[in-house]
Amino acid sequence: DAGVIQSPRHEVTEMGQEVTLRCKPISGHDYLFWYRQTMMRGLELLIYFNNNVPIDDSGMPEDRFSAKMPNASFSTLKIQPSEPRDSAVYFCASSFTLYEQYFGPGTRLTVT
Amino acid sequence: GQQLNQSPQSMFIQEGEDVSMNCTSSSIFNTWLWYKQDPGEGPVLLIALYKAGELTSNGRLTAQFGITRKDSFLNISASIPSDVGIYFCAGQVGRGSQGNLIFGKGTKLSVKP
Repeated sequence: DAGVIQSPRHEVTEMGQEVTLRCKPISGHDYLFWYRQTMMRGLELLIYFNNNVPIDDSGMPEDRFSAKMPNASFSTLKIQPSEPRDSAVYFCASSFTLYEQYFGPGTRLTVT
Repeated sequence: GQQLNQSPQSMFIQEGEDVSMNCTSSSIFNTWLWYKQDPGEGPVLLIALYKAGELTSNGRLTAQFGITRKDSFLNISASIPSDVGIYFCAGQVGRGSQGNLIFGKGTKLSVKP
């Protein structure tokens, strides 16, 4: 079975550019989560969806960050404009219940 | 907000040794999970615990949900080189549609053959 799919795996962009990260959750999972991982702060939940509806976006750091889930098989996390402090690994995870989350391989974002 | 204190931060052990790590909090959690992350990959779920006092095994891994609901432990028996990685605990306060996962900072395990 395919796991959570994320693209791209690596993204290098210049400050001020728009960045879009993509995620395809595991089929049948009702929950989708976006996390950010840095050395300093560890794993942080940014936002999560249930049945394509955003439930909690309190972890989204600023208005520069936005996330959408237009259907059950696709979600995007967008940063506009990007800044160097946004450099991190961004993970998408999905789950059938709220608890046992399955993570994708991550997108390593570098903003110069 | 809730915080999880995971210890030790790192461990360097000999192959064949047993490993113990734990996670503590000042808050009560209703669910505890343990994940392992390999370099360049996402965390992989190892064990999920749902009841205080619960003891669950997954091969050489055993995890326990503390009686006070404020801590959890993970043990690895007879470590092998592929056990190398970062182990994260995660706790969840709410139930149902509430409650996000809060992650510890991880325990980095190194195994010497």
